[in-house]
Amino acid sequence: DAKTTQPTSMDCAEGRAANLPCNHSTISGNEYVYWYRQIHSQGPQYIIHGLKNNETNEMASLIITEDRKSSTLILPHATLRDTAVYYCIVDNYGQNFVFGPGTRLSALP
Amino acid sequence: GAVVSQHPSWVICKSGTSVKIECRSLDFQATTMFWYRQFPKQSLMLMATSNEGSKATYEQGVEKDKFLINHASLTLSTLTVTSAHPEDSSFYICSARVASGGPSTDTQYFGPGTRLTVL
Repeated sequence: DAKTTQPTSMDCAEGRAANLPCNHSTISGNEYVYWYRQIHSQGPQYIIHGLKNNETNEMASLIITEDRKSSTLILPHATLRDTAVYYCIVDNYGQNFVFGPGTRLSALP
Repeated sequence: GAVVSQHPSWVICKSGTSVKIECRSLDFQATTMFWYRQFPKQSLMLMATSNEGSKATYEQGVEKDKFLINHASLTLSTLTVTSAHPEDSSFYICSARVASGGPSTDTQYFGPGTRLTVL
């Protein structure tokens, strides 16, 4: 079973920030939080990952709470191309990913 | 960087035939590659993990004699579906783990997937 829980679906307005939450209350000390997204009929695309510090790259920001029991993926300016299923995964060094159902994000015009 | 390719992108075959799917890491070396399967409206399910030069480790319920995995080099892994049947029709996705030296270490990069349809 996946170690994370995410909302089933979310909508966001195009041009606005999309904030996708993830709960991982049983995360252990050496497990990272990974985010991927899957656009229909494609393989998952890596977005970002982090251990305990907030992370930012050209695609998104990852905010991890101080107790590490939850995190939020932020897409700063959502576009229609960001419509996808977003997966939050916790794992040791990318060795054993377990995918949950993810969050289906719909960016609306 | 960290590009993974799969070939073919889609294949249709007759029941009872075998199909080979290739997975390549194009710009990095991958000591570990993974094979997943995804049925319609479901999430990805790990089938097996393969390390270069050694036998693959299969997840519970995945028949190793039906899904043959070969990981002969640091950039290539193959999945052969033997004696395919309609229930094997699915979206097969590979990933490669960047262990070191890549743009983002200790994570998996996924291929675009192969859609298999068995008639």
